[in-house]
Amino acid sequence: GENVEQHPSTLSVQEGDSAVIKCTYSDSASNYFPWYKQELGKRPQLIIDIRSNVGEKKDQRIAVTLNKTAKHFSLHITETQPEDSAVYFCAASNSGGSNYKLTFGKGTLLTVNP
Amino acid sequence: EAQVTQNPRYLITVTGKKLTVTCSQNMNHEYMSWYRQDPGLGLRQIYYSMNVEVTDKGDVPEGYKVSRKEKRNFPLILESPSPNQTSLYFCASSWSVGTDTQYFGPGTRLTVL
Repeated sequence: GENVEQHPSTLSVQEGDSAVIKCTYSDSASNYFPWYKQELGKRPQLIIDIRSNVGEKKDQRIAVTLNKTAKHFSLHITETQPEDSAVYFCAASNSGGSNYKLTFGKGTLLTVNP
Repeated sequence: EAQVTQNPRYLITVTGKKLTVTCSQNMNHEYMSWYRQDPGLGLRQIYYSMNVEVTDKGDVPEGYKVSRKEKRNFPLILESPSPNQTSLYFCASSWSVGTDTQYFGPGTRLTVL
């Protein structure tokens, strides 16, 4: 089955700096890669996603890049703010295959210091 | 308001006492799923359902059962809970698994003594 590795497990940055979280996946058939943000004590919420026919997607200060050849994708947050502090999860799934599971990475705890 | 609800939100129980955690969504989603979240292990899928009467195992199904008799409900059943099932549980739903946003419930914190 699919295996998603996520790095780093913790990341601390100064307010205004950029943060990058990287994930690798094992199943070359995976074609959907969402990122979820989980604030302390709350439920995970989707912040951005990318499909395999796209190499990069941006939404204001957040961007995701995908390298299908290398089987890795990354989350980029620019101009970080204290409210960006949370746990971020990457995930992968194969929308067109027989495996309907969504496999998550183990998460990255991002701390933005004022 | 579109939402996923879970009950109970907190539960402390003892080993071997059967329990059910309910999950309900009002968005007419076809796909529903249960995850458990443990420190350092992220979100691991327990079971999922692609539609009524269609369920399948996720990555950590041992010790759990599910049913999907109605589209809106997807209860998680622990027939004989054990301490290693102490965890934070999330139910989620979406239009489909492949390319759609998963909407998570508020979570159920379960402690098995």
